Amino acid sequence: DIQMTQSPSTLSASVGDRVTITCRPSQSISNWLAWYQQKPGKAPKLLIYKASSLESGVPSRFSGSGSGTEFTLTISGLQPDDFATYYCQQYHTYLWTFGQGTKVEIK
Amino acid sequence: EVQLVESGGGLVQPGGSLRLSCAASRFTVSDNYMSWVRQAPGKGLEWVSIIYSGGSTYNADSVKGRFSISRDNSKNTLYLQMNSLRAEDTAVYYCASGFGDSLKWGQGTRVTVSS
Repeated sequence: DIQMTQSPSTLSASVGDRVTITCRPSQSISNWLAWYQQKPGKAPKLLIYKASSLESGVPSRFSGSGSGTEFTLTISGLQPDDFATYYCQQYHTYLWTFGQGTKVEIK
Repeated sequence: EVQLVESGGGLVQPGGSLRLSCAASRFTVSDNYMSWVRQAPGKGLEWVSIIYSGGSTYNADSVKGRFSISRDNSKNTLYLQMNSLRAEDTAVYYCASGFGDSLKWGQGTRVTVSS
């Protein structure tokens, strides 16, 4: 199985901050990497697919980059609605695996 | 708009069975690979099972021999048959699919295994 190491596990930030979350697969996954936002009691919401493609309807302050074994999600100008938990996911293999999540909290 | 809608969750006793459904609209289940993913209370996301367009299926080790994924092409619906349920199977279950290079997810259905 491909292990996904996501960091940090918790992040305290203020409205307007630039925030970066990292995801490192245990082996190369090319660019088959997705990022999700999840709020309590809700389904994960797809933000980014194929490492850097923005899902339709997602604000442009969200961006993704990377390939192979290192990926980042950047939120440029954190908004009140962005305080949530974020997950990365690899779909390079059928056995999808996920990062353990990053909780973005209000500083 | 493409939609995946899960149903069939509920409260079941340990050792019991449940069948989850995932109905698709504006999307053909048999043309795409379809998966089930679950999330236990307060935990992260765990892949459970997949069925490919050609019919091949795979399951996570944690559910092997107990869960079975299938689809009904005439109803454009995905299923997850869950047998011999355990307390640790308590979770919200999501169906999800590849969609071109992207992914689509449903809103989930809650399964609680408890006596």
